[in-house]
Amino acid sequence: DAGVIQSPRHEVTEMGQEVTLRCKPISGHNSLFWYRQTMMRGLELLIYFNNNVPIDDSGMPEDRFSAKMPNASFSTLKIQPSEPRDSAVYFCASSAGYPNTEAFFGQGTRLTVV
Amino acid sequence: AQSVAQPEDQVNVAEGNPLTVKCTYSVSGNPYLFWYVQYPNRGLQFLLKYITGDNLVKGSYGFEAEFNKSQTSFHLKKPSALVSDSALYFCAVRDMSNFNKFYFGSGTKLNVKP
Repeated sequence: DAGVIQSPRHEVTEMGQEVTLRCKPISGHNSLFWYRQTMMRGLELLIYFNNNVPIDDSGMPEDRFSAKMPNASFSTLKIQPSEPRDSAVYFCASSAGYPNTEAFFGQGTRLTVV
Repeated sequence: AQSVAQPEDQVNVAEGNPLTVKCTYSVSGNPYLFWYVQYPNRGLQFLLKYITGDNLVKGSYGFEAEFNKSQTSFHLKKPSALVSDSALYFCAVRDMSNFNKFYFGSGTKLNVKP
């Protein structure tokens, strides 16, 4: 398996534009996580899907952020409109649904909003 | 509430010396504990986990971790540090009482000097 695949790896956009980040989890994994990492706030959980259903979205900063998982092999995180403070590295991770299994992280998307 | 604490933002050690990166946790029920490493511009990479059984867990790259239930700790250790071990290390706990959600610590930057 190629692991968790995220695209794009880098994204530079202007303030106010819509940004869509993509994630393909590892086949067979039924849990998917979106994280944001910044120097100031560290690693933050944004949203957690289990069997394609959002279980916990309490970490989503505000209504400008939305996430979907239309099927077991694809998820998106959308920011609309984007703001400079959204600049961060966004990680997607997947795992099997059992508590004794580890999560596997993608390489991340570095988002810069200018 | 479930949580993970990494009390040290940074740990400095000389190459060849033993290293310890500290982690304490708070979780209801049996803990499922994990260590991850993050190299610059990369995603988090799984190192090792404690599920049950032997309190000393061995993982990748010569790392090991010691689970101590009475002290609610899960410290990461390595007998002899390498310069290439310099990275950011995260401790995590998976909460089976909360949809198997992951809780990550704030991270500890390990600097190994030649």
